[in-house]
Amino acid sequence: EIVLTQSPATLSLSPGERATLSCRASQSVSSYLVWYQQKPGQAPRLLIYDASNRATGIPARFSGSGSGTDFTLTISSLEPEDFAVYYCQQRSNWPKTFGQGTKVEIK
Amino acid sequence: EVQLLESGGGLVQPGGSLRLSCAASGFTFSSYDMSWVRQAPGKGLEWVSSIRSSGGNTYYADSVKGRFTISRDNSKNALYLQMNSLRAEDTALYYCAKDSSGWSNWGQGTLVTVSS
Repeated sequence: EIVLTQSPATLSLSPGERATLSCRASQSVSSYLVWYQQKPGQAPRLLIYDASNRATGIPARFSGSGSGTDFTLTISSLEPEDFAVYYCQQRSNWPKTFGQGTKVEIK
Repeated sequence: EVQLLESGGGLVQPGGSLRLSCAASGFTFSSYDMSWVRQAPGKGLEWVSSIRSSGGNTYYADSVKGRFTISRDNSKNALYLQMNSLRAEDTALYYCAKDSSGWSNWGQGTLVTVSS
């Protein structure tokens, strides 16, 4: 099973600041890495697929990068609605696995 | 507009069974792989099971293998999860999700509580 480790667990930032979230895989997942955003009481929302492709309707301030085992989700300038939990997920191998999540909170 | 509506959750005793359903609309259901993903209260996301568009291949997390069965009826645009031998650790919100290079669409979930 591929283990995904997200860091940091919590990121405390102010609106307008840049957020950088990391996801590291225990073995290569090529570019088959996905990012989701989840707000309290809501289902997850697909942000980025295959490491760097924004999903439909996702603002350009969200970007993804990386390949192999190291991946990054960047939010260039935090908007109030971006404070949420972010999960990475690999779709390279079965079982499909998630990271434990990074909470982006208001400082 | 893609819509996924789960149903069938509830309170069940340990060792009991439940059958979850997911009604899909707004897309060609038979063309997409589908999955169940769960989230225990206050915890992260856990993939449970997936099924290919044709229904010919199914996949399970080790934690549910042998107890849960995923199926679909493409004529009814419906996805199912039969859950047997339920345990306290199966307590979670169960989401169905449409697979398109990642889970592009999710339902709002149905809550399963396993408790005596």
